Amino acid sequence: SAVISQKPSRDICQRGTSLTIQCQVDSQVTMMFWYRQQPGQSLTLIATANQGSEATYESGFVIDKFPISRPNLTFSTLTVSNMSPEDSSIYLCSVEATDSVATEAFFGQGTRLTVV
Amino acid sequence: GQQLNQSPQSMFIQEGEDVSMNCTSSSIFNTWLWYKQDPGEGPVLLIALYKAGELTSNGRLTAQFGITRKDSFLNISASIPSDVGIYFCAGASSSYDKVIFGPGTSLSVIP
Repeated sequence: SAVISQKPSRDICQRGTSLTIQCQVDSQVTMMFWYRQQPGQSLTLIATANQGSEATYESGFVIDKFPISRPNLTFSTLTVSNMSPEDSSIYLCSVEATDSVATEAFFGQGTRLTVV
Repeated sequence: GQQLNQSPQSMFIQEGEDVSMNCTSSSIFNTWLWYKQDPGEGPVLLIALYKAGELTSNGRLTAQFGITRKDSFLNISASIPSDVGIYFCAGASSSYDKVIFGPGTSLSVIP
């Protein structure tokens, strides 16, 4: 399994500001993902972070609101832009290990964001 | 789109009791994953299942991959207070390279 470190672990931010969350993996991985987990809810995929190209966003998420960088195979950032209280969630970085028969997803500890 | 259902939504049990929860889908998956999430933490992978009918154990946890490939269950034997948390099932298929998560089962253990 991969060891995934996220920074910051939590933050309280003013509405209208932006926060960049970093995700560092201890090994090179092909697939990196960003999820959002709203209070009391399950995990919702925001986007796939593609190395060397633009991220692939899921329905309901756009690049202007959640810009993502993936400069190499061990690092990615997610920015939550122009924040509002509705953006208060846990944001999780994930990597997948996959082969022809199996897929496993591993998660960082998450970033708990509160927007006031 | 693909969607997973988990039941029950929440459980309150006495310490020492066994727990059973399940996950169903209208779609076929070729991998089933079970996670536990503690408050303030990211989900931690408990068990991964790769073949229909497969039964896999991890300590007091046992999970099975349904024969139809559309369901899975997780059992916890002799529950203890540290089993408290939210349990998520997740599925992956070769035709859809993302992992889909269920809504979760919240487990509370009464000492």
